[in-house]
Amino acid sequence: IAGITQAPTSQILAAGRRMTLRCTQDMRHNAMYWYRQDLGLGLRLIHYSNTAGTTGKGEVPDGYSVSRANTDDFPLTLASAVPSQTSVYFCASSDRVAGNNEQFFGPGTRLTVL
Amino acid sequence: GQNIDQPTEMTATEGAIVQINCTYQTSGFNGLFWYQQHAGEAPTFLSYNVLDGLEEKGRFSSFLSRSKGYSYLLLKELQMKDSASYLCAVRDSNYQLIWGAGTKLIIKP
Repeated sequence: IAGITQAPTSQILAAGRRMTLRCTQDMRHNAMYWYRQDLGLGLRLIHYSNTAGTTGKGEVPDGYSVSRANTDDFPLTLASAVPSQTSVYFCASSDRVAGNNEQFFGPGTRLTVL
Repeated sequence: GQNIDQPTEMTATEGAIVQINCTYQTSGFNGLFWYQQHAGEAPTFLSYNVLDGLEEKGRFSSFLSRSKGYSYLLLKELQMKDSASYLCAVRDSNYQLIWGAGTKLIIKP
């Protein structure tokens, strides 16, 4: 793999179900991020991780949890999905040490909660 | 609160020049980014400004004025493939990106 991958590409989920969105990067970036993107709104940060073993809350963390057991993987879990979590979810990564720390994005997961 | 403002939509003609403005009010400033996002795809990095002035990269240029809380992205010699949304983002004092809602650019032949 090259860059960032996300799975699944899309998913339709019944309300109340648990769902984990997967994100893997092979660039050895120390920082990783989860965003949601909704029509008419900017990307909103859900959770982030500056380095393996640490995580932090973003702007809209409620209803979501993350873990960062290693450098490459950063899964996002919806414990009990609700319709307001219908969105496109993007995972991103960056090297917080080198360069301008630009973020590289995965292809996104389109999630519909019914 | 933190706020990034940019126009919702702009229309331009193939071969022309277009300027997309972005104004910001954030808690701290550690750089401004422009990203391009084609419909149904992920954002991709275009430019980064941390000091005042113009950064030129091929057909794209980005300008920053920190005292005015203002940036613009200038696209020259527009091509149909430039039809996309352009996202402005500011890195704040917590080193997190605050994103504008994006400007949808429509290119007409």
